[in-house]
Amino acid sequence: AQSVTQLGSHVSVSEGALVLLRCNYSSSVPPYLFWYVQYPNQGLQLLLKYTSAATLVKGINGFEAEFKKSETSFHLTKPSAHMRDAAEYFCAVSVGETSGSRLTFGEGTQLTVNP
Amino acid sequence: NAGVMQNPRHLVRRRGQEARLRCSPMKGHSHVYWYRQLPEEGLKFMVYLQKENIIDESGMPKERFSAEFPKEGPSILRIQQVVRGDSAAYFCASSPAVFTDTQYFGPGTRLTVL
Repeated sequence: AQSVTQLGSHVSVSEGALVLLRCNYSSSVPPYLFWYVQYPNQGLQLLLKYTSAATLVKGINGFEAEFKKSETSFHLTKPSAHMRDAAEYFCAVSVGETSGSRLTFGEGTQLTVNP
Repeated sequence: NAGVMQNPRHLVRRRGQEARLRCSPMKGHSHVYWYRQLPEEGLKFMVYLQKENIIDESGMPKERFSAEFPKEGPSILRIQQVVRGDSAAYFCASSPAVFTDTQYFGPGTRLTVL
């Protein structure tokens, strides 16, 4: 069975600073990995996904993530934080089982951006 | 192309009542997933359906919960005899196919049980 661990339930950065949100996964087969963002009282929006093509994945809003198989990690980064980035971020894994691509989510990381 | 639609957005029920949550997938999508988000927690998979078929319900509680996705109309998540512990946000996602295809999420239904 697959699992996801997000290190740090709360991350606080200053506007303009680097954003680093950590995600480690566990999977017995090559995984598909996703980052989603959730704004208050809204659904989840896909930021980016890794599906075994390039290991460095670029997403929307200036975010990117790097798949590192040796470290079983898929950390999310953004060079310069903006106030509008304040939200909750979820890392998720899917292994494409024959029963469908159900997602297993991490517990989430709440990102605060300080002016 | 309209996104995934869920209604109602907010639902209040008293203990023992029934809750019906509806999800209309994106046009052209035949795969629907339901997830539950308890307060201060991540999303947990409940059930995966294709038209007229339940493919994987391994995340559904054994009692009181059921789901369907009929040939015509939205997918329905039904909770009978609700209890306070059912209070959560319920999200529906749809995709056009399995495996690598992205799941697109609806805005969720926030269920409050009094």
